[in-house]
Amino acid sequence: TQLLEQSPQFLSIQEGENLTVYCNSSSVFSSLQWYRQEPGEGPVLLVTVVTGGEVKKLKRLTFQFGDARKDSSLHITAAQPGDTGLYLCAGVGETSGSRLTFGEGTQLTVNP
Amino acid sequence: DTGVSQDPRHKITKRGQNVTFRCDPISEHNRLYWYRQTLGQGPEFLTYFQNEAQLEKSRLLSDRFSAERPKGSFSTLEIQRTEQGDSAMYLCASSLLNQPQHFGDGTRLSIL
Repeated sequence: TQLLEQSPQFLSIQEGENLTVYCNSSSVFSSLQWYRQEPGEGPVLLVTVVTGGEVKKLKRLTFQFGDARKDSSLHITAAQPGDTGLYLCAGVGETSGSRLTFGEGTQLTVNP
Repeated sequence: DTGVSQDPRHKITKRGQNVTFRCDPISEHNRLYWYRQTLGQGPEFLTYFQNEAQLEKSRLLSDRFSAERPKGSFSTLEIQRTEQGDSAMYLCASSLLNQPQHFGDGTRLSIL
């Protein structure tokens, strides 16, 4: 069974601070996605990483895929209240077909 | 809006009743997925289709659950003899082959 451990589970910070969310597994993933989810809505895709060591930037968000494709991180610079939401990492295993395995999520609150 | 559409958005029913949810994927997406999400958790995979063929089912999908995609377009998920433990958000996603999954806003099921 593939598991993705996400940390921290909750994060409350002040506007302007930086933060990093981690997603770790003992399994190798062929690709890993990061989603953001608002209450009462479905997850919205932020980025997909597929190559070990890959780094992608989306405005103030930086995503990194570990060299061994077992872990990933999301770094937000100068967080804003609009960044508040549930951040989910999800991976496609090398032997799990197309199913996504999700982490438990990180609930981020950015206070003005 | 050409995103994934789910209906209804909310369903409240009594224990023991049957319920059916519908998902309309993004046009031309040949893969369609169902996930279940409980409060404070990441989504869990239930099943997926490629065109009209159901290719994989999770152990979470008990015999009270059935999913169909008869013409390879929309899909339905039926739960028979609902139990309180079935209360959750049921999410549908679609994708092209080996491409990232895009989610609908889900159907929230509440069992009284």
